[in-house]
Amino acid sequence: EAQVTQNPRYLITVTGKKLTVTCSQNMNHEYMSWYRQDPGLGLRQIYYSMNVEVTDKGDVPEGYKVSRKEKRNFPLILESPSPNQTSLYFCASSPRGGEPLSYNEQFFGPGTRLTVL
Amino acid sequence: GQNIDQPTEMTATEGAIVQINCTYQTSGFNGLFWYQQHAGEAPTFLSYNVLDGLEEKGRFSSFLSRSKGYSYLLLKELQMKDSASYLCAFMDSNYQLIWGAGTKLIIKP
Repeated sequence: EAQVTQNPRYLITVTGKKLTVTCSQNMNHEYMSWYRQDPGLGLRQIYYSMNVEVTDKGDVPEGYKVSRKEKRNFPLILESPSPNQTSLYFCASSPRGGEPLSYNEQFFGPGTRLTVL
Repeated sequence: GQNIDQPTEMTATEGAIVQINCTYQTSGFNGLFWYQQHAGEAPTFLSYNVLDGLEEKGRFSSFLSRSKGYSYLLLKELQMKDSASYLCAFMDSNYQLIWGAGTKLIIKP
């Protein structure tokens, strides 16, 4: 089944304790992205990657790191989480970024609900 | 600058028709998307418009006017399962998606 998976789905942690949220897609997509979603603010892009070893900052990159060593994986790293990073996080992928194709549908993972105390 | 706006919440009746509007401002435009998101779930793709006009897909249609910076999503024959948030997003000149905050649609019997 074609899908984007994220782990963990739920996480409660404490301030300053490093954590990683994994994201993996099995559709051979080039483009992958991380979003956070907060009430009233919609989806905000954290980082995106056009392909392996290529990553770029989105709108709200502060406090986050990413890497893209393999095409299928795009982990999100919080080196020192803070309470303002409590949010719902989505990973997404699409066939290609950087081109206005006939459509460039993004496929979303199920989400990771993170609480930082 | 760039911005995108849609109503926060709308209410409609089962079996009726509802139109959800989205307005945007941007200097570079590469298409507009609509996604559906049920509470606690991931967004799922509904439609993409890059040219002016109406795109119809079953009970859902999406319209775009690039000159007016305006789009709408039209939902016909509303069903209870259509209760969800509807997100519009445009792709800017850097091929990044800029998302609206979403419109929560409440369907009443």
